[in-house]
Amino acid sequence: SQQGEEDPQALSIQEGENATMNCSYKTSINNLQWYRQNSGRGLVHLILIRSNEREKHSGRLRVTLDTSKKSSSLLITASRAADTASYFCATDVDDKIIFGKGTRLHILP
Amino acid sequence: DGGITQSPKYLFRKEGQNVTLSCEQNLNHDAMYWYRQDPGQGLRLIYYSQIVNDFQKGDIAEGYSVSREKKESFPLTVTSAQKNPTAFYLCASSTDYGTGEQFFGPGTRLTVL
Repeated sequence: SQQGEEDPQALSIQEGENATMNCSYKTSINNLQWYRQNSGRGLVHLILIRSNEREKHSGRLRVTLDTSKKSSSLLITASRAADTASYFCATDVDDKIIFGKGTRLHILP
Repeated sequence: DGGITQSPKYLFRKEGQNVTLSCEQNLNHDAMYWYRQDPGQGLRLIYYSQIVNDFQKGDIAEGYSVSREKKESFPLTVTSAQKNPTAFYLCASSTDYGTGEQFFGPGTRLTVL
């Protein structure tokens, strides 16, 4: 079974709108990461949030972590066409990183 | 420019043939990883190496082999024993083994004909 699962599986929004995607996980973690993957390319690390942190920002990205609910959210503000990609959360389990199946984000012009 | 490279980008193989995917990094990272990605799926760990001359099986190692003779290089061989090898293969590296940030190569798409 999947440690981290993203929700929704797919999301389409208009350019300029905010995009929110969520990640839920099952077991306690030390940290949670978010990665982006453009179609047919490798993953790019976006942000890492530790279990003792509740919120982190990086440019237009805001990540929150709620360890009591075992969930995280990634908010992309003022979306752009270049944000079209798949977004994966990754959690640590038994000293390994486990990736979810991702949310496919499509920014409409 | 520091980074991680994979070659080739596309690879075609006939059934029954072994094929080796290249992964090179100049980031001076100790740890390297191979993942497999199928359409609409997350990444599954094939093999990882914490340090040169050492490697460990991941979750789906059957039908694959690796070597780590140099710090910079971590080639993956897809053998004929791999039942369903058509997939997108991603190599990654990190400063040291653990649960921190990983740096990914551009991937190799393998198609078995």
